[in-house]
Amino acid sequence: EVQLLESGGGLVQPGGSLRLSCAASGFTFNNYAMSWVRQAPGKGLEWVSVTVNNGRTTYYADSVKGRFTVSRDNFRNTLFLQVNSLRAGDTAVYYCAREYYGVFDIWGQGTVVTVSS
Amino acid sequence: EIVLTQSPGTLSLSPGERATLSCRASQSISSSSLGWYQHKPGQAPRLLIYGASSRATGIPDRFSGSGSGTDFTLTISRLEPEDFAVYYCQQYGNSIWTFGQGTKVEIK
Repeated sequence: EVQLLESGGGLVQPGGSLRLSCAASGFTFNNYAMSWVRQAPGKGLEWVSVTVNNGRTTYYADSVKGRFTVSRDNFRNTLFLQVNSLRAGDTAVYYCAREYYGVFDIWGQGTVVTVSS
Repeated sequence: EIVLTQSPGTLSLSPGERATLSCRASQSISSSSLGWYQHKPGQAPRLLIYGASSRATGIPDRFSGSGSGTDFTLTISRLEPEDFAVYYCQQYGNSIWTFGQGTKVEIK
């Protein structure tokens, strides 16, 4: 079964950091670009970042550029998102998603990040 | 940056009725880069349509997508109880993905 499972979310103070993980199974992970997408409470979906299949190229939304870093370990079939300098506006459910010809065909269930003092 | 505007914000319909959701892009986009998703509370978003009009694997044929240029439409021919949800359009270009703000389809 094709599956993505996120972990690493939690409650963190403003200015703090977290490392989110996404474990992939059921498909050849290193054949696909992978993204992070988030949804703040009461808001819509917002694309955050992408890494190509070999991890050598990454892109970010302007809202997180310079604070978030996406990476992947193709041996462990795992995607990561290092989130630093967190703000209240970063509070959201963070989903990892498999990219397929410009759309996201497989999604995880999400991990919740809450930024609050 | 391309902005996607969805309308209406909320659609109140009864099971069995037809739903027509609109997605308008701020500039012309390639149809190949346009997708639609269904999202229910507490669940992962689900890809419905890719390439503006192709149904994703396992998606019932009551869901259909159409459009080109700046105007795209998702149609649900006959609403089933499980179709009440929020729907998002999404486009890809220049290594940036953007979503519309969503249309909520609610039970009337």
